[in-house]
Amino acid sequence: GIQVEQSPPDLILQEGANSTLRCNFSDSVNNLQWFHQNPWGQLINLFYIPSGTKQNGRLSATTVATERYSLLYISSSQTTDSGVYFCAVTPGGSYIPTFGRGTSLIVHP
Amino acid sequence: GAVVSQHPSWVICKSGTSVKIECRSLDFQATTMFWYRQFPKQSLMLMATSNEGSKATYEQGVEKDKFLINHASLTLSTLTVTSAHPEDSSFYICSATRTGGMNTEAFFGQGTRLTVV
Repeated sequence: GIQVEQSPPDLILQEGANSTLRCNFSDSVNNLQWFHQNPWGQLINLFYIPSGTKQNGRLSATTVATERYSLLYISSSQTTDSGVYFCAVTPGGSYIPTFGRGTSLIVHP
Repeated sequence: GAVVSQHPSWVICKSGTSVKIECRSLDFQATTMFWYRQFPKQSLMLMATSNEGSKATYEQGVEKDKFLINHASLTLSTLTVTSAHPEDSSFYICSATRTGGMNTEAFFGQGTRLTVV
């Protein structure tokens, strides 16, 4: 099956810092989503981005499908950004999302 | 975005009893729903794919007799953990897509934290 690798696995930031999270995948995909899992376990949809670039406030994401990677940018990080960020991809010919291992982010005040 | 509601959010049950978890799509019809299990500090592991009106498709290693899935309508799927044991304690999350086909966005429920004592 498709392999999804996220980096870095852990990230510690000071409030106000910027960061870039990466998601590499091993095969062509139909869908790619970024999620934020908050401390209570809820998965929050951040971006549905099989290709191209999207922005939502302090967050933006870019997927380069031909090179099989996606990037999630967090600018001016806040303590509420803490949590785990997951990338999930749906490979071509399938409709089942596969998750990466996530990036655990801690933002200190 | 679409709303997926999962209930209960948490449950504590005695070993040997069964627990039912509900997953509802509140504002859209979901032909396909997915059930995941997540252990502490790990990623989400797909347990099964639930298709409305047909039997669920289970991933390798998931006991279909222990984790009963029913998808009786386009807005409701249920996961029943039968004869639960402490090793079944985990965080269970459901997701739903609007049409069940490709190129669709998945929305997740709040998750259910199951503790078996």
